[in-house]
Amino acid sequence: QVQLVQSGAEVKKPGASVKVSCTVSGYNLSEFSMLWVRQTPGKGLEWMGTFDPEDGETIYAQKFQGRVTMTEDTSTDTAYMELSSLRSEDTAVYYCATGTSYWGQGTLVTVSS
Amino acid sequence: DIVMTQTPLSLSVTPGQPASISCKSSQSLLHSDGKTYLYWYLQKPGQSPHLLIYEVSSRFSGVPDRFSGSGSGTDFTLKISRVEAEDVGIYYCMQGIHLPWTFGQGTKVEIK
Repeated sequence: QVQLVQSGAEVKKPGASVKVSCTVSGYNLSEFSMLWVRQTPGKGLEWMGTFDPEDGETIYAQKFQGRVTMTEDTSTDTAYMELSSLRSEDTAVYYCATGTSYWGQGTLVTVSS
Repeated sequence: DIVMTQTPLSLSVTPGQPASISCKSSQSLLHSDGKTYLYWYLQKPGQSPHLLIYEVSSRFSGVPDRFSGSGSGTDFTLKISRVEAEDVGIYYCMQGIHLPWTFGQGTKVEIK
């Protein structure tokens, strides 16, 4: 069955970067688009961007433009989301999701000095 | 950004009774391809969201038929015909047509 397994929790200092991985099984990464969504108590669920393997294009939410990079390694069926210049407001649970269907278990990223 | 407004924000339901959640979008979610990109998710306590309904009314694989979705344009509804204890959690609607994709604020369903 389809599974998305994300990397473990991270604690980062303000200004640092974080890279979250999402390894899929049960299908090939290149078959479906990959979404990244984050969840914070204050702002709820926020869509961060989508990588579309059909055209190789990534669409980022304007809010994260310039700070986020989404990539994929099809040889390992692993997707990555890197967020830079972290601030305290980036403390959240980050999810990957295949298309709109299956979600990973989430990765807690805490930004604190 | 498209605003997705859910009502009510919380719901307390007796097992076996029906429940209904409304989701209104600030713009039409009808795409030129004829599809309407409105999704419903349930996030059970301590879990990640999982898909219940896609494109307004299609149940995702394994979703019980007590869940149904309806609506068009800007007004959508999720109905649970007979609520069960396992249905507790927060329900979210999401639009997937206008960038950025946006979610409703969530409706918390609990059992009486």
